[in-house]
Amino acid sequence: EIVLTQSPGTLSLSPGERATLSCRASQSVSSNYLAWYQQKPGQAPRLLIYAAASRATGIPDRFSGSGSGTDFTLTISRLEPEDFAVYYCQQYGSLPRTFGQGTKVEVK
Amino acid sequence: QLQLRESDSGLVKPSQTLSLTCTVSGDSISNGGYSWHWIRQSPGKGLEWIGYIYHSGSSYYNPSLKSRVTMSVDRSKNQFSLKLTSVTAADTAVYYCARGGNGGGFDIWGQGTLATVSS
Repeated sequence: EIVLTQSPGTLSLSPGERATLSCRASQSVSSNYLAWYQQKPGQAPRLLIYAAASRATGIPDRFSGSGSGTDFTLTISRLEPEDFAVYYCQQYGSLPRTFGQGTKVEVK
Repeated sequence: QLQLRESDSGLVKPSQTLSLTCTVSGDSISNGGYSWHWIRQSPGKGLEWIGYIYHSGSSYYNPSLKSRVTMSVDRSKNQFSLKLTSVTAADTAVYYCARGGNGGGFDIWGQGTLATVSS
């Protein structure tokens, strides 16, 4: 099973700042099949990025994904008030599918 | 627009079976060759993938839960289901159903349903 480790656990930033979230895999993610999700309290996760760098339908271009192999990054170029949430990475290159433990982006 | 909705589970007693159904609306569960998934989230914790099923009935379960999980699909009702046997308090969680997108990842989610295991 691929273990995904996200860092940092919490990111304290102000609106307008840039957020950089990391996801490291215990082994190479096949075909860079890595996704990122945003989850707000009381809501289901929302798909932001798939295949490491492709934005899902309707996702603003301030969200971008990069990386390959075992190291992946989600970048939010300028934080909007609605972006403060928990973010999860997830790999779907091998079974079982696994998630990272999450990074909380909070208001500084 | 495709939507997913989980049935209510409510309170389940320890050692009993948790049963959930996900109703798909807006398109046929048989269209597009999508995979249909169950994912859970314990209170205040992260996400755990339970498994998937295709409209054909082909399925795969997380090895950590495999001995207790059964998934099924009912194409006539446009639903897929989860059964989790011998539940304990550790199975208390919000259970989500989701669609495996063609591009990858889980692109559509239900709103989630809280299942509480308690006597």
